[in-house]
Amino acid sequence: EAAVTQSPRSKVAVTGGKVTLSCHQTNNHDYMYWYRQDTGHGLRLIHYSYVADSTEKGDIPDGYKASRPSQENFSLILELASLSQTAVYFCASSDTGGDQYFGPGTRLLVL
Amino acid sequence: QQQVRQSPQSLTVWEGETAILNCSYEDSTFDYFPWYWQFPRESPALLIAIRPVSNKKEDGRFTIFFNKREKKLSLHITDSQPGDSATYFCAASPGTGGYKVVFGSGTRLLVSP
Repeated sequence: EAAVTQSPRSKVAVTGGKVTLSCHQTNNHDYMYWYRQDTGHGLRLIHYSYVADSTEKGDIPDGYKASRPSQENFSLILELASLSQTAVYFCASSDTGGDQYFGPGTRLLVL
Repeated sequence: QQQVRQSPQSLTVWEGETAILNCSYEDSTFDYFPWYWQFPRESPALLIAIRPVSNKKEDGRFTIFFNKREKKLSLHITDSQPGDSATYFCAASPGTGGYKVVFGSGTRLLVSP
């Protein structure tokens, strides 16, 4: 069954540490996205990619980097984690039609 | 700049009533409007979507009404059930290379039995 998976599902990180969130999709989609969702709020786009080895900045890219080594994999990197980056992070994939398929999310707590 | 606006922020209806969730947008290049729903502690999932070639899209108890002239759309949930309690996100994307989706801030729906 086609799916989007994320790892880890939850993580506690220390301020100033490096955090890597991973996403894998078996939908054969070209487009992948990283969103963050803060409690009680909507989805904000951090980075996205429409082809391997290329990433684009979304609406809130500051403090985040992204990597797309293959069509299936898309990572989000926090080089220096900060308290304000505590949130739930969702990865999604889509084809050109626009329907997005979300992963289960990663709950990140930065202390 | 909030390109997709939703109202109300939260809504409570009784079981069996019709819930109406509103959405408006600013960018005339938006050509595809999906609605996602999200249950607590779960990820968003596509519920129903519409393209402006039609002004209505129906799927069971869920219906989107679309007014292109006013740049407004609404999601009607008839015979609301407690299991419909979730946060509903209206979204929009451009018709050409529509890979970047803009999400509204969501409407939290509670259906009371």
